[in-house]
Amino acid sequence: QSALTQPASVSGSPGQSITISCTGTSSDVGGYNYVSWYQQHPGKAPKLMIYEVSNRPSGVSYRFSGSKSGNTASLTISGLQAEDEADYYCSSFTSTSSWVFGGGTKLTVL
Amino acid sequence: QLQLQESGPGLVKPSETLSLTCTVSGGPISSSSYYWGWIRQPPGKGLEWIGSIYYSGSTYYNPSLKSRVTISVDTSKNQFSLKLSSVTAADTAVYYCARQRDVNLDFDYWGQGTLVTVSS
Repeated sequence: QSALTQPASVSGSPGQSITISCTGTSSDVGGYNYVSWYQQHPGKAPKLMIYEVSNRPSGVSYRFSGSKSGNTASLTISGLQAEDEADYYCSSFTSTSSWVFGGGTKLTVL
Repeated sequence: QLQLQESGPGLVKPSETLSLTCTVSGGPISSSSYYWGWIRQPPGKGLEWIGSIYYSGSTYYNPSLKSRVTISVDTSKNQFSLKLSSVTAADTAVYYCARQRDVNLDFDYWGQGTLVTVSS
Protein backbone atom coordinates (compact mmCIF):
# COMPACT_ATOMS: atom_id res chain seq x y z
CA GLN A 1 0.00 0.00 0.00
CA SER A 2 1.30 3.45 -0.88
CA ALA A 3 1.43 6.34 1.54
CA LEU A 4 -1.18 9.04 1.12
CA THR A 5 0.16 12.17 -0.60
CA GLN A 6 0.58 15.35 1.43
CA PRO A 7 2.52 18.54 0.64
CA ALA A 8 5.89 18.50 2.35
CA SER A 9 5.40 21.93 3.83
CA VAL A 10 2.95 24.78 4.21
CA SER A 11 3.26 28.12 5.94
CA GLY A 12 1.12 31.00 7.09
CA SER A 13 1.18 34.09 9.25
CA PRO A 14 -0.55 34.34 12.63
CA GLY A 15 -4.27 34.84 12.21
CA GLN A 16 -4.35 33.45 8.68
CA SER A 17 -5.88 30.15 7.54
CA ILE A 18 -4.07 27.29 5.89
CA THR A 19 -5.22 24.05 4.30
CA ILE A 20 -3.30 20.78 4.08
CA SER A 21 -4.38 18.25 1.48
CA CYS A 22 -4.21 14.47 1.68
CA THR A 23 -4.68 12.54 -1.55
CA GLY A 24 -5.30 8.84 -1.76
CA THR A 25 -7.34 6.49 -3.91
CA SER A 26 -10.82 5.00 -4.06
CA SER A 27 -9.45 2.14 -1.93
CA ASP A 28 -8.74 4.38 1.02
CA VAL A 29 -9.61 8.09 1.30
CA GLY A 30 -12.23 8.00 -1.44
CA GLY A 31 -13.85 4.80 -0.31
CA TYR A 32 -14.33 5.44 3.39
CA ASN A 33 -15.15 8.30 5.75
CA TYR A 34 -12.47 7.03 8.11
CA VAL A 35 -9.92 9.77 7.54
CA SER A 36 -8.18 11.14 10.62
CA TRP A 37 -5.57 13.86 11.19
CA TYR A 38 -2.74 14.01 13.72
CA GLN A 39 -0.57 16.83 15.04
CA GLN A 40 2.98 16.03 16.09
CA HIS A 41 5.32 18.44 17.84
CA PRO A 42 9.07 17.66 17.80
CA GLY A 43 9.96 14.78 20.08
CA LYS A 44 6.33 14.13 21.00
CA ALA A 45 3.76 11.49 20.17
CA PRO A 46 1.10 12.30 17.56
CA LYS A 47 -2.19 13.75 18.83
CA LEU A 48 -5.57 13.05 17.25
CA MET A 49 -7.05 16.30 15.90
CA ILE A 50 -9.80 15.16 13.50
CA TYR A 51 -11.57 11.81 13.10
CA GLU A 52 -14.06 10.51 10.55
CA VAL A 53 -13.15 13.28 8.10
CA SER A 54 -14.58 16.22 10.00
CA ASN A 55 -15.13 15.46 13.69
CA ARG A 56 -13.12 17.07 16.47
CA PRO A 57 -12.31 15.15 19.66
CA SER A 58 -13.16 16.84 22.92
CA GLY A 59 -10.55 19.45 23.77
CA VAL A 60 -9.40 20.17 20.22
CA SER A 61 -9.80 23.79 19.17
CA TYR A 62 -12.68 24.73 16.86
CA ARG A 63 -9.98 26.33 14.65
CA PHE A 64 -9.25 22.87 13.29
CA SER A 65 -11.66 21.50 10.70
CA GLY A 66 -11.67 18.71 8.14
CA SER A 67 -13.40 17.89 4.89
CA LYS A 68 -13.22 15.47 1.96
CA SER A 69 -13.96 15.56 -1.74
CA GLY A 70 -13.45 12.42 -3.79
CA ASN A 71 -10.03 10.93 -3.09
CA THR A 72 -8.70 14.04 -1.33
CA ALA A 73 -9.18 15.00 2.30
CA SER A 74 -8.23 18.38 3.74
CA LEU A 75 -7.34 19.84 7.11
CA THR A 76 -7.93 23.55 7.60
CA ILE A 77 -6.50 25.55 10.48
CA SER A 78 -8.01 28.99 10.90
CA GLY A 79 -6.68 31.83 13.01
CA LEU A 80 -3.15 30.41 12.96
CA GLN A 81 -1.29 30.55 16.24
CA ALA A 82 2.37 30.00 17.02
CA GLU A 83 1.59 26.75 18.86
CA ASP A 84 0.08 25.28 15.69
CA GLU A 85 3.57 24.96 14.23
CA ALA A 86 4.08 21.21 14.01
CA ASP A 87 3.99 18.25 11.63
CA TYR A 88 0.57 17.05 10.50
CA TYR A 89 -0.31 13.57 9.26
CA CYS A 90 -3.46 12.19 7.69
CA SER A 91 -4.49 8.57 7.97
CA SER A 92 -7.15 6.44 6.32
CA PHE A 93 -8.64 3.00 6.75
CA THR A 94 -8.29 0.94 3.57
CA SER A 95 -10.13 -1.72 1.59
CA THR A 96 -7.65 -4.36 2.77
CA SER A 97 -8.55 -3.78 6.43
CA SER A 98 -5.37 -1.87 7.07
CA TRP A 99 -4.37 1.70 7.82
CA VAL A 100 -2.17 4.03 5.80
CA PHE A 101 -0.62 7.37 6.76
CA GLY A 102 0.32 10.35 4.67
CA GLY A 103 3.93 11.40 4.33
CA GLY A 104 3.41 14.33 6.66
CA THR A 105 3.30 18.12 6.26
CA LYS A 106 5.47 20.56 8.16
CA LEU A 107 3.49 23.67 9.12
CA THR A 108 5.53 26.81 9.70
CA VAL A 109 3.92 29.82 11.36
CA LEU A 110 5.78 32.84 10.00
CA GLN B 1 -7.16 8.57 31.95
CA LEU B 2 -5.86 5.86 29.63
CA GLN B 3 -2.09 5.62 29.38
CA LEU B 4 0.13 3.49 27.15
CA GLN B 5 3.83 2.85 27.73
CA GLU B 6 6.23 1.09 25.38
CA SER B 7 9.13 -0.94 26.74
CA GLY B 8 11.90 -3.09 25.32
CA PRO B 9 15.53 -3.08 24.19
CA GLY B 10 16.77 0.12 22.62
CA LEU B 11 19.42 -1.68 20.58
CA VAL B 12 18.92 -4.77 18.41
CA LYS B 13 21.48 -6.50 16.21
CA PRO B 14 20.86 -7.00 12.48
CA SER B 15 19.05 -10.25 11.61
CA GLU B 16 17.71 -10.60 15.16
CA THR B 17 14.14 -10.11 16.40
CA LEU B 18 12.88 -6.80 17.77
CA SER B 19 10.52 -7.29 20.72
CA LEU B 20 8.47 -4.53 22.32
CA THR B 21 5.68 -4.48 24.88
CA CYS B 22 2.98 -1.87 25.41
CA THR B 23 1.52 -1.69 28.92
CA VAL B 24 -1.94 -0.19 29.14
CA SER B 25 -3.16 1.48 32.33
CA GLY B 26 -6.45 3.17 33.13
CA GLY B 27 -8.64 0.60 31.44
CA PRO B 28 -8.80 -3.10 30.53
CA ILE B 29 -7.18 -4.09 27.26
CA SER B 30 -9.87 -6.74 26.82
CA SER B 31 -12.62 -4.13 26.46
CA SER B 32 -14.69 -4.58 23.35
CA SER B 33 -14.68 -1.86 20.72
CA TYR B 34 -10.94 -1.32 20.48
CA TYR B 35 -7.98 -2.31 18.36
CA TRP B 36 -4.45 -1.99 19.75
CA GLY B 37 -1.84 -0.95 17.23
CA TRP B 38 1.83 -0.38 16.55
CA ILE B 39 3.16 2.51 14.45
CA ARG B 40 6.78 3.44 13.76
CA GLN B 41 8.63 6.55 12.64
CA PRO B 42 12.20 6.39 11.28
CA PRO B 43 14.33 9.35 12.34
CA GLY B 44 13.29 12.45 10.42
CA LYS B 45 10.60 10.58 8.47
CA GLY B 46 6.87 9.97 8.55
CA LEU B 47 4.58 7.55 10.34
CA GLU B 48 4.15 3.97 9.18
CA TRP B 49 1.41 1.65 10.46
CA ILE B 50 2.86 -1.74 11.40
CA GLY B 51 -0.17 -3.68 12.52
CA SER B 52 -3.09 -3.98 14.93
CA ILE B 53 -4.85 -6.55 17.06
CA TYR B 54 -8.56 -6.47 17.82
CA TYR B 55 -9.91 -7.24 21.29
CA SER B 56 -11.16 -10.54 19.84
CA GLY B 57 -7.59 -11.51 18.93
CA SER B 58 -7.85 -10.93 15.18
CA THR B 59 -4.70 -9.43 13.74
CA TYR B 60 -4.10 -7.06 10.84
CA TYR B 61 -0.66 -6.33 9.41
CA ASN B 62 0.93 -3.92 6.97
CA PRO B 63 1.38 -6.00 3.79
CA SER B 64 4.95 -4.76 3.41
CA LEU B 65 5.88 -6.10 6.86
CA LYS B 66 3.45 -9.00 7.23
CA SER B 67 6.01 -11.77 6.76
CA ARG B 68 8.10 -10.46 9.69
CA VAL B 69 5.49 -9.17 12.16
CA THR B 70 3.61 -10.79 15.03
CA ILE B 71 1.33 -8.90 17.40
CA SER B 72 -0.15 -10.58 20.47
CA VAL B 73 -2.09 -9.68 23.59
CA ASP B 74 -1.65 -10.72 27.23
CA THR B 75 -4.87 -9.75 28.97
CA SER B 76 -3.62 -10.96 32.37
CA LYS B 77 -0.90 -8.29 32.26
CA ASN B 78 -2.96 -5.72 30.32
CA GLN B 79 -0.24 -5.66 27.67
CA PHE B 80 0.17 -6.21 23.97
CA SER B 81 3.40 -6.97 22.17
CA LEU B 82 5.21 -6.59 18.87
CA LYS B 83 7.78 -8.92 17.38
CA LEU B 84 9.60 -7.97 14.18
CA SER B 85 12.01 -10.56 12.88
CA SER B 86 15.10 -10.35 10.67
CA VAL B 87 15.64 -6.67 11.35
CA THR B 88 17.94 -4.42 9.35
CA ALA B 89 19.10 -0.84 9.75
CA ALA B 90 15.94 0.21 7.89
CA ASP B 91 13.93 -0.88 10.93
CA THR B 92 15.59 1.77 13.11
CA ALA B 93 12.75 3.98 14.29
CA VAL B 94 10.71 5.33 17.15
CA TYR B 95 8.03 2.73 17.82
CA TYR B 96 4.65 3.86 19.15
CA CYS B 97 1.78 1.84 20.52
CA ALA B 98 -1.73 3.24 20.26
CA ARG B 99 -5.38 2.50 20.93
CA GLN B 100 -7.76 2.47 17.98
CA ARG B 101 -11.51 2.91 18.28
CA ASP B 102 -13.36 0.37 16.17
CA VAL B 103 -16.27 2.72 15.47
CA ASN B 104 -14.12 5.60 14.26
CA LEU B 105 -11.06 3.64 13.06
CA ASP B 106 -8.65 6.26 14.37
CA PHE B 107 -5.74 6.26 16.81
CA ASP B 108 -7.02 8.15 19.85
CA TYR B 109 -4.44 7.38 22.55
CA TRP B 110 -0.70 7.02 21.95
CA GLY B 111 2.29 5.96 23.99
CA GLN B 112 5.27 8.29 24.24
CA GLY B 113 7.29 6.15 21.84
CA THR B 114 10.56 4.27 22.22
CA LEU B 115 13.60 4.49 19.95
CA VAL B 116 14.93 1.19 18.67
CA THR B 117 18.25 1.22 16.87
CA VAL B 118 19.37 -1.71 14.72
CA SER B 119 23.14 -1.91 14.76
CA SER B 120 25.90 -4.41 15.40
